[in-house]
Amino acid sequence: QVKLQQSGAELVKPGASVKLSCKTSGYTFSTSYMSWFKQIPGQSIEWIGMIYAGDGGTGYNQKFKGKATLTVDTSSSTAYMDLSSLTTEDSAVYFCAREAVGHWFAYWGQGTLVTVSS
Amino acid sequence: DIQMTQSPASLSASLGETVTIECRASEDIYNGLAWYQQKPGKSPQLLIYNANSLHTGVPSRFSGSGSGTQYSLKINSLQSEDVASYFCQQYYNYPPTFGSGTKLEIK
Repeated sequence: QVKLQQSGAELVKPGASVKLSCKTSGYTFSTSYMSWFKQIPGQSIEWIGMIYAGDGGTGYNQKFKGKATLTVDTSSSTAYMDLSSLTTEDSAVYFCAREAVGHWFAYWGQGTLVTVSS
Repeated sequence: DIQMTQSPASLSASLGETVTIECRASEDIYNGLAWYQQKPGKSPQLLIYNANSLHTGVPSRFSGSGSGTQYSLKINSLQSEDVASYFCQQYYNYPPTFGSGTKLEIK
């Protein structure tokens, strides 16, 4: 079955960067799209961007351009998201999710909590 | 970006009741709408896509309807396991955008 396993919680200092991972199994990673999302607990969900694993092509929400960088490693079927120049406003849970045939999201990782604090 | 206005923000209902959650888009999204259920500390789970198509494995007491800019999620015969937050998401245009969520509780 499809699985998306995200890396563990991160505590990082303001100004630092962090790299989150999303290891997949159960489907053909190299022909799929992966999206990333931000959710502050108790609030709504924001789409950060997506990456096509086949060629590494990306699309970003304008709001997150310069903040997030999406990459993939097809040899390990893993997607990554780098978050840079972190501030307290970046403290949130970040999810990866695989797009279905349309642009809805049927498969989600369990989420990674990022806490930015000095 | 397309704005999704979801209502109500919170909802309290009794077991066995029917509840409806509404979502209004800032422009026509041509049925490009999904509904998700999210339980505390968990990831969102897809319920409905294309406004009215039930995702595999989702109980038939969940249904979606609507068109144009107005959409709704109905839950029949409310069960205790339905306690969760519910979000709509449009995917007609990039970026995909979500409603603000509805927190459903049992009376």
